[in-house]
Amino acid sequence: EIVLTQSPATLSLSPGERATLSCRASQSVSSYLAWYQQKPGQAPRLLIFDASNRATGIPARFSGSGSGTDFTLTISSLEPEDFAVYYCQQRSNWQYTFGQGTKLEIK
Amino acid sequence: EVQLVQSGAEVKKPGESLKISCKGSGYSFTIYRIVWVRQMPGKGLEWMGIISPGDSETRYSPSFQGQVTISADKSINTAYLQWSRLEASDTAMYYCARLGEFVRAFDIWGQGTMVTVSS
Repeated sequence: EIVLTQSPATLSLSPGERATLSCRASQSVSSYLAWYQQKPGQAPRLLIFDASNRATGIPARFSGSGSGTDFTLTISSLEPEDFAVYYCQQRSNWQYTFGQGTKLEIK
Repeated sequence: EVQLVQSGAEVKKPGESLKISCKGSGYSFTIYRIVWVRQMPGKGLEWMGIISPGDSETRYSPSFQGQVTISADKSINTAYLQWSRLEASDTAMYYCARLGEFVRAFDIWGQGTMVTVSS
């Protein structure tokens, strides 16, 4: 099973700042890496698929990069609604795993 | 509107059986695979398994193989997650989600079904 490790566990920033979230895979997942945002009491929402493609309706301030084992989600300038938990997720041989999540909190 | 609508919250006792549902609408249900995801209270997301509603081909996470059964009825655009004997540790929120065709990720999510198992 491929393990995804997200860092940091918690990120404390202020609105307007840049956020950089990391996801590392235990072995290569090529570009099969997605990012989701989850707010309290809500279902997750797809942000990024195939490492760098924004899903429909996702603002341009969200961007993804990376391939192989190291991936990054960047939020260029934080808006108040961006404070949430973020998960990465991979697919390999029709098995899927999620990272443990990064909580992005207001400083 | 493309959506997945899940059945309502359940409160059950240990040892009871349960089947929860996920109904798709606004798209061709048989073309897109459906996944189930568990979220225990205060914890992260765990992928449980996936089903292709067109032919009911199913794959499970090793962590959930033998613990749950995933099925689908394409005639009513509905996928299911069921337990034969619930345990307290099954208490969690359960989400269904659609695996996109060209968007190779879970692009549409249900609202979640909260399952509480308590004596």
